[in-house]
Amino acid sequence: EAQVTQNPRYLITVTGKKLTVTCSQNMNHEYMSWYRQDPGLGLRQIYYSMNVEVTDKGDVPEGYKVSRKEKRNFPLILESPSPNQTSLYFCASSFTGIQYEQYFGPGTRLTVT
Amino acid sequence: QKEVEQNSGPLSVPEGAIASLNCTYSDRVSQSFFWYRQYSGKSPELIMSIYSNGDKEDGRFTAQLNKASQYVSLLIRDSQPSDSATYLCAVALGGNEKLTFGTGTRLTIIP
Repeated sequence: EAQVTQNPRYLITVTGKKLTVTCSQNMNHEYMSWYRQDPGLGLRQIYYSMNVEVTDKGDVPEGYKVSRKEKRNFPLILESPSPNQTSLYFCASSFTGIQYEQYFGPGTRLTVT
Repeated sequence: QKEVEQNSGPLSVPEGAIASLNCTYSDRVSQSFFWYRQYSGKSPELIMSIYSNGDKEDGRFTAQLNKASQYVSLLIRDSQPSDSATYLCAVALGGNEKLTFGTGTRLTIIP
């Protein structure tokens, strides 16, 4: 089954404790992206990757890191999480860019206390 | 001015009627426009994409794009209770590879 998977689905952590949210797709997509969704603010793009080893900032990259060492994986790293990073996070992928349908993962709900 | 604006709603429409959802965007050079549907607690899923001026129809859904007015809309004909969801407008602003979403319009279809 073609899909985007994220792990973990739910995470409660404390301020400053480094964490990684994994994202993997099995559709051989070149483009991958991370979004956060907050009430009243909608979906906002954090980082995106056009292909392996190519990443770029979205609209809200502060406090996040990403890497794209393999085509299928695009982990999101929070080096020192803060409470304002409490949010619902979605990973998405598409064939070669945003002109194509974005397939979204199931989401990761992160709470930072 | 927000880059992509939608009326947050909630928008209530009787079953069987036409639901009309609107979106405006700020960048004239934008080329790609999308409507996503998001059920509560679920991830967004693509409903329609549109790239050129005019109408694009897919079943009960019609997307309309007017680049001169920087306006894109989604019409849902014969609305069903299963159409109750939040509808997200997304635009590739400035022709780059970043996708900007509106805050979404919550639609409720009343049986």
